[in-house]
Amino acid sequence: KQEVTQIPAALSVPEGENLVLNCSFTDSAIYNLQWFRQDPGKGLTSLLLIQSSQREQTSGRLNASLDKSSGRSTLYIAASQPGDSATYLCAATGNQFYFGTGTSLTVIP
Amino acid sequence: GAVVSQHPSWVICKSGTSVKIECRSLDFQATTMFWYRQFPKQSLMLMATSNEGSKATYEQGVEKDKFLINHASLTLSTLTVTSAHPEDSSFYICSARGLAGASDTQYFGPGTRLTVL
Repeated sequence: KQEVTQIPAALSVPEGENLVLNCSFTDSAIYNLQWFRQDPGKGLTSLLLIQSSQREQTSGRLNASLDKSSGRSTLYIAASQPGDSATYLCAATGNQFYFGTGTSLTVIP
Repeated sequence: GAVVSQHPSWVICKSGTSVKIECRSLDFQATTMFWYRQFPKQSLMLMATSNEGSKATYEQGVEKDKFLINHASLTLSTLTVTSAHPEDSSFYICSARGLAGASDTQYFGPGTRLTVL
């Protein structure tokens, strides 16, 4: 069964810093890797989707990379802002979505 | 874009009562819907997968008699928590996959917060 792990579990940074969130998965036979944002008490907002044939995707200040062979994905956030504070979830998709444990990010003004 | 709604967004009920949560795909037809639950500070765990017109497939450890799932139409799936207990208090999120959607594409609802007193 696919297992997805995210490191760190929590992260607190001052505003303006660049940061990296890590996601690892055990089964490299995935369709794609997706990053979500979840605000407290809310549902999921899709941030980036990397198909299995791709190595990275970019949207604004966000860049996600995928290395299937090593079972890793990273989400890079440039010039962090307080509004980026949320929990970030990665999901490896096969026949179903396998969610990671999440990274709770706090950006301090 | 594809929109999925859930109703209610939050519900408080007494122990022993049943609660129904609706998941609707607003602008597309969903052949498959998924139900997840999320405990505080934990990730989403898949509870069951429902296909329109057929019985839901439950994940290991999920009681199908307690969590009744109905997917009677291509735009609506319901989750009924029967004889709810405080340990059922959680955040329930549904997602939907469309007729023409790739097997790896799901659209997520905003979630329903259930509190059982």
